[in-house]
Amino acid sequence: DTEVTQTPKHLVMGMTNKKSLKCEQHMGHRAMYWYKQKAKKPPELMFVYSYEKLSINESVPSRFSPECPNSSLLNLHLHALQPEDSALYLCASSQGGGGNYGYTFGSGTRLTVV
Amino acid sequence: AQTVTQSQPEMSVQEAETVTLSCTYDTSENNYYLFWYKQPPSRQMILVIRQEAYKQQNATENRFSVNFQKAAKSFSLKISDSQLGDTAMYFCAFMKLTPGTYKYIFGTGTRLKVLA
Repeated sequence: DTEVTQTPKHLVMGMTNKKSLKCEQHMGHRAMYWYKQKAKKPPELMFVYSYEKLSINESVPSRFSPECPNSSLLNLHLHALQPEDSALYLCASSQGGGGNYGYTFGSGTRLTVV
Repeated sequence: AQTVTQSQPEMSVQEAETVTLSCTYDTSENNYYLFWYKQPPSRQMILVIRQEAYKQQNATENRFSVNFQKAAKSFSLKISDSQLGDTAMYFCAFMKLTPGTYKYIFGTGTRLKVLA
């Protein structure tokens, strides 16, 4: 299995809703990432988990809450989002604890906040 | 701080022709990694090619090759025998070789369209 699987592929949520994005990989990668990508822009790093511990939080608002229950699974819990949070959310994983061999990305979750 | 510049927002190429995408970067580091990723309309970012800065030999992956000029801080991507499936956004990315630093610095991207 050489894939990163993200669910759901599309999500529409209201500003008062609570939802979660899920990311799964079975490649034995020990680093996992959440990125946010606006249209026609490069991805922006949000969080990095290395060996199941949060190692980087790029000053992301607390309405985004990451969770890494085990080495194969990464969640992003969403609460009280704003319309400007609408974007493509990409999950990625990499070998070891870093990304110097490159990332494997998922296909993303297209999030719309209404 | 490191920066990555892709000066060509859009490019087009005829099928079977060769195209070169440019990328320049600014860093005071001596050891680092450089990458090209493609993002087709399917949204998934796919690693195209990777270069280690301490290796002088240019990386190649089938039809994809790079021209890495460390002194000039240039890292261009050449796509030979372009195919319709190469139509995508291409991002150049830089990563420092520092333990605990897993952050890519991405360029703004080049949208490549391969014409039939």
